Parts: sequence; C-alpha cells; structure tokens
Amino acid sequence: DGGITQSPKYLFRKEGQNVTLSCEQNLNHDAMYWYRQDPGQGLRLIYYSQIVNDFQKGDIAEGYSVSREKKESFPLTVTSAQKNPTAFYLCASADLWETQYFGPGTRLLVL
Amino acid sequence: AQKITQTQPGMFVQEKEAVTLDCTYDTSDPSYGLFWYKQPSSGEMIFLIYQGSYDQQNATEGRYSLNFQKARKSANLVISASQLGDSAMYFCAMREGNRDKTGANNLFFGTGTRLTVIP
Repeated sequence: DGGITQSPKYLFRKEGQNVTLSCEQNLNHDAMYWYRQDPGQGLRLIYYSQIVNDFQKGDIAEGYSVSREKKESFPLTVTSAQKNPTAFYLCASADLWETQYFGPGTRLLVL
Repeated sequence: AQKITQTQPGMFVQEKEAVTLDCTYDTSDPSYGLFWYKQPSSGEMIFLIYQGSYDQQNATEGRYSLNFQKARKSANLVISASQLGDSAMYFCAMREGNRDKTGANNLFFGTGTRLTVIP
C-alpha cells in the first residue's frame, strides 16, 4: 500500500528532553513537509524539504530540527529549546507543485 | 493579513441536504492554487478538491464542488447530499506561485470549519 506513515501515534516528552518524530513515505515524492496544529487552529509549516540532503525553515522552525538523508524519510526532532511543544504534528509529501498528502499525525504531550 | 479566512467556526446540516463552507483568500500573486482538506476526529488530513487560479471551470469531485469567484477572492466548498460521515473539520488552504517560479509549494491554512451532519 502506498502512503505516508508517522510514528509514534502518541509521544510524551519530559522537560529538557529531545524527542524525534518519524515520517516515512513510499509514494516516491520529492518534497516532504512538517506542520504543527494547535487546538482550534489551522496548520503551520515547521520545515520542508524539496530534495534529499536539503531542507528549509518554515514559519515556526525555532526549537525544531530535521534531516533528509533518504528520499523516503524526513524525521523531525523537537528539541528542549521548544518551550511549548504540546501539539499535533502532521507530515506531508508531494511531487513538486502537486497536491500534498498527509500522514496520520503524532500527538506530542509534555509530562 | 491572513492569507486564508474561514469565518464559520461551526456549521450544522441535515443529512441529505447540501451545505456551503466559506473560504476567502488574500494574495497578490496571479498564480495560485486553492485546496480543501477534511480532518475527521482521527486527525488525518484528507485531500478533497483543488482549484487553480487559471482554471476556467469550477472544480468538482463527486459530491464536492468548489464555488470559485475570483473577483471576490472566494473559494467556497459545496458538499451535496450530506452524509453522517461528512462530520469533520474542513480546512481551506492556498499555495502561491507555480512550477515556473522558485518556491516550495507551501500551503497556508485557514482555521477550519467544524461541520456536523444531523440525522
């Protein structure tokens, strides 16, 4: 089955801890994206990557980091510098200038 | 200024009736694309329909149609023959530019409308 997978579904972070959210796609898409969604809000772009080994900051990149070592994978690390990380995180992929398709999301909670 | 505005936080519709969800947008780029996504309680964003700024006709996909009024900068989603499974959050989104320009295909999202279908 072609699609986008995100893991884990739920993630708990302790104070001062870095955590990594996984995003994998087998759609052979060049571009991948990370969005953050807060309650009652739309999605805001954290980082995006149009090609392997290259990525760009979105609107709210502070406190986050990414890597793109493989076309299929675009992990997001929420660092301790992100002071308000509790949110729903959605990963998307697309052929360049085509429709973005989303994964099922990861809900991050702070203990 | 907000690039996408959805003014209806919540809407109710009777099963089998049609409903219109409003979306207005703001851009100075002559090339842009408009998208609607559905987000059920599970959280996944499901793509519904797309309208390009140069498309002459309104987009349709099954029970979904997009009422595109370029001069008014509106891109309302019409759902016909509502079903109970249509109850969800609906988001309007916009992409500026096109593949002939540099850019990242980034989407700007509205705050969404929660649709509830009543049996």
